[in-house]
Amino acid sequence: AQKITQTQPGMFVQEKEAVTLDCTYDTSDPSYGLFWYKQPSSGEMIFLIYQGSYDQQNATEGRYSLNFQKARKSANLVISASQLGDSAMYFCAMSNQGGKLIFGQGTELSVKP
Amino acid sequence: GAGVSQSPSNKVTEKGKDVELRCDPISGHTALYWYRQSLGQGLEFLIYFQGNSAPDKSGLPSDRFSAERTGGSVSTLTIQRTQQEDSAVYLCASSQQSGLAGGPGETQYFGPGTRLLVL
Repeated sequence: AQKITQTQPGMFVQEKEAVTLDCTYDTSDPSYGLFWYKQPSSGEMIFLIYQGSYDQQNATEGRYSLNFQKARKSANLVISASQLGDSAMYFCAMSNQGGKLIFGQGTELSVKP
Repeated sequence: GAGVSQSPSNKVTEKGKDVELRCDPISGHTALYWYRQSLGQGLEFLIYFQGNSAPDKSGLPSDRFSAERTGGSVSTLTIQRTQQEDSAVYLCASSQQSGLAGGPGETQYFGPGTRLLVL
């Protein structure tokens, strides 16, 4: 069965520092996509970054990068130069041929001034 | 361009009543998804539509839940005889395409959600 695991229920980071949010996944499908979403207290789900299973390079989007280690089945999100506005819940998700997303339980990130 | 829109933003209903939740996807997106998020939890898949194909209803929790998508665009999620455990945020998402085994075109963009409270 497919599964996404986020082992950090909560994380703290000092403003302007980098932080890594962990995500591991389990699937037997050879082709899949990995996604990270941000959910602030307002409740909207904001797409951050995508990584395809066949991509050779790690995805980057501005201050976000995805540390993809296929052999370890991990897809950690790295946020550089944290800002107060980065405080939110972060969800890792996976899609496959079925199309639907499977989500982890999320990590609540708090950025301290 | 316009994102995914949902209505109503909030809905309070009494146990046993029927409710309808609406989703208007991003124009041109062929795939539409419904998810449910209970308080403090991750997202639970409910149903998805891809073009003219039969919908994947595998996530619907009971036969009280149904959804339709008219004209390949707007979708309505209906919950009949609501129960208190149906209280949650119902999120709709759309993507350019689906079924391409994890390709970038499957990136899902979410609406703001409908917060349903069943008293």
